[in-house]
This record gives sequence, structure tokens and C-alpha cells, in this order.
Amino acid sequence: QKEVEQNSGPLSVPEGAIASLNCTYSDRVSQSFFWYRQYSGKSPELIMSIYSNGDKEDGRFTAQLNKASQYVSLLIRDSQPSDSATYLCAVNGGNQFYFGTGTSLTVIP
Amino acid sequence: DAGITQSPRYKITETGRQVTLMCHQTWSHSYMFWYRQDLGHGLRLIYYSAAADITDKGEVPDGYVVSRSKTENFPLTLESATRSQTSVYFCASLAGNTEAFFGQGTRLTVV
Repeated sequence: QKEVEQNSGPLSVPEGAIASLNCTYSDRVSQSFFWYRQYSGKSPELIMSIYSNGDKEDGRFTAQLNKASQYVSLLIRDSQPSDSATYLCAVNGGNQFYFGTGTSLTVIP
Repeated sequence: DAGITQSPRYKITETGRQVTLMCHQTWSHSYMFWYRQDLGHGLRLIYYSAAADITDKGEVPDGYVVSRSKTENFPLTLESATRSQTSVYFCASLAGNTEAFFGQGTRLTVV
């Protein structure tokens, strides 16, 4: 069974700080990696995707992938209270989408 | 409306009853998924489908049945609902090796 592990949190950071979210996965053939944000009572929404080793930046968000270490992370710079949500790491391997349990992030004003 | 829609949004049913959750997508995506989300467990894959008439089990398939006679529809049936199936259910679709798009979710309570 493929596994996706996330640091469980909850994670609290002050407004303006950097939030760091981490994820490891067990399936070496996984090809695509995603970070979803989920607000309470809502469905997950995609915020970042990454397919190759290295960093990918999109505004305040940076995804980092290291396939050798089977590790993917998400950095949120200049964290805002609106970033308070649960962040889900997802791995697409063989067209099955597997999710971690999510990390709850609270940004304190 | 374009996108992926689930119905009903909320459902209360009694133990032992059969209940079907509907999922409809307008993109003609090949892959569709059903997840359940419970506190402490994240999203767990119940069943998925690679195309019409092709379905396969995920992590937690027991007690559920799916079908996919048409590409755009992927209903999930609980044959005899149990309290442990109280959860939020999400349907998702996927085009190729890209992101999954989610429906709004169905909150199911089994009493």
C-alpha cells in the first residue's frame, strides 16, 4: 500500500513568518506531487504541483521535491491569517491519487 | 454547469439502508475517484475508475460498491449502511498525470 506521511501538526506561526510543511512518500514510482489547501467544511483546492526535482515557486508558495529522499515540502512565505487551513500532500503514482492526513496550519495575527 | 458535482450535499440515513451518492463531471476526464475523509485519517481512497466500465478498489473498499456505465457519472453505493460509514465523501476526477479536481463533498450521517 502506498503511503504518504505528513507532520501532523498543528502548526502555528505568527503573521509574516515562513510556514514549512513536510511530506514523505513510500512509492518510488510516483511521478507527480501536489499540495492542496482545505478550509474547514470545504473541498480541497490545488495550490501547487511539482513534477521534477528542485524548487518551484508561485507567489508566496514554494514547493520542493527530492525524489531520491522521497520528500516534498511546501514553504509559505509572509504567512497571512487567510492561510490558516489544513494542507494536504498528494502523490500521483500509477494514476492513483493518495493523500497524507494533512497538517493544520494556524497563522496568528 | 462545468465541473464536478456531487449530490446530495447532506444525507442522513438509518443503519442497514442502502444509499447512493452521485458524482457527475463535465470534462470527460478518464479517471474518477471516491474518497472518504474522517478526522485523523485524511482522505482515504475508496474506489477509483480508469474509464467507463473499469473500476478498482482503493484503500478502504469494504461496504461500498461503484459503477461507471458512462464516463461522466461515478455513483457510490453503500449497500447496507453502518455507523462507521458516517463521513464526508469526496468525488474527484483526473485528466492524465495532472491534478485532481474535487466535488463539493457529501456529508453522510448514519444513525
